[in-house]
Amino acid sequence: EDQVTQSPEALRLQEGESSSLNCSYTVSGLRGLFWYRQDPGKGPEFLFTLYSAGEEKEKERLKATLTKKESFLHITAPKPEDSATYLCAVSGANSKLTFGKGITLSVRP
Amino acid sequence: GAVVSQHPSWVICKSGTSVKIECRSLDFQATTMFWYRQFPKQSLMLMATSNEGSKATYEQGVEKDKFLINHASLTLSTLTVTSAHPEDSSFYICSASSTRREEQFFGPGTRLTVL
Repeated sequence: EDQVTQSPEALRLQEGESSSLNCSYTVSGLRGLFWYRQDPGKGPEFLFTLYSAGEEKEKERLKATLTKKESFLHITAPKPEDSATYLCAVSGANSKLTFGKGITLSVRP
Repeated sequence: GAVVSQHPSWVICKSGTSVKIECRSLDFQATTMFWYRQFPKQSLMLMATSNEGSKATYEQGVEKDKFLINHASLTLSTLTVTSAHPEDSSFYICSASSTRREEQFFGPGTRLTVL
């Protein structure tokens, strides 16, 4: 069974204080690892797809990396508008997404 | 690109009535659509997967006669909650994917409240 564990559950940062969110996973036949952002009362917004260990992707203040067992979402100099829940998900041999519980990020001005 | 809409965004209904939720891919052809349910402060739970023109595949524990899914075209899927009860109150989210990409793109969600 595919499993995704995200840590920490919640993270509070001061504006400009860089940090990383962790996603550990076990999957049979990784087809992709995905990061999404979800705001309260909204559907998840797609951020990144990573396909193989060593791959990295960047978008503005966010950078996602992947190893064979985990992925990190690095946030550089965050702003209050980066406050949201960040979801990690994997797609395995059955092509279904298995989500972690998410990390709630709060960035204080 | 990759925009998915849902309608309605919220609905309140009486116990025993049926509610239909629409999910549309606006700028791409969705060969596969997914329906999820999300409880407060919890992650998304997959309910069913549907391919255009085929019967939906339901996850274990999801009643197919209660949650009717129709994927009649490459841009539209509907979820009908039949004989809704208060325990069906939840946040329902659809997603869509195409054969070209692995990613699923999500709609904004529908908040269902059953009184």
